[in-house]
Amino acid sequence: TQLLEQSPQFLSIQEGENLTVYCNSSSVFSSLQWYRQEPGEGPVLLVTVVTGGEVKKLKRLTFQFGDARKDSSLHITAAQPGDTGLYLCAGISFNAGNNRKLIWGLGTSLAVNP
Amino acid sequence: NAGVMQNPRHLVRRRGQEARLRCSPMKGHSHVYWYRQLPEEGLKFMVYLQKENIIDESGMPKERFSAEFPKEGPSILRIQQVVRGDSAAYFCASSPVGTGRRAYEQYFGPGTRLTVT
Repeated sequence: TQLLEQSPQFLSIQEGENLTVYCNSSSVFSSLQWYRQEPGEGPVLLVTVVTGGEVKKLKRLTFQFGDARKDSSLHITAAQPGDTGLYLCAGISFNAGNNRKLIWGLGTSLAVNP
Repeated sequence: NAGVMQNPRHLVRRRGQEARLRCSPMKGHSHVYWYRQLPEEGLKFMVYLQKENIIDESGMPKERFSAEFPKEGPSILRIQQVVRGDSAAYFCASSPVGTGRRAYEQYFGPGTRLTVT
């Protein structure tokens, strides 16, 4: 069974601090996505990383895909209260029938306090 | 371009009643996914559909739950004879046709919050 483990599960920090959250697996994924979900809303896609070692930046957010395409990290610089939410990673693999399958982590719940 | 639409946003049902949740994908998207989420938890995959076809229903409970995505109209998640344990947020996502990486990106609706009393 493919699993994506996200850590930490919960994180509470002060505005202005930096943080990194992780998404790890023993399986290789063809690509990996990061989503953010705010309370009461559906998840919103932030980024897709495809190539091993790839780094993508989205303003204060930096996403990295591991060289072996088994893990990923999200680094937030100078966190703001608006960054509060549940951060979910999802890896794409293909099952035996060559159908794509999205494997979801359980998320990191981030609270940024003013 | 309108996003994924779900209705109703909130649904209250008594035990034993039926719940019908609707999802209209983004324009041009022919792949629909349904997820269930409990408070403070991640997403649990339920079913993946294309127009008129169920591709993967490995996350669907064997009884009382069904899903369809007809040629015309929205996708429907149907829960028969609801029980209190069915109370949750149900999210629908859609993705575009294609073989590129963007074909796998999912766009979520705002969810339907089902409460069973």
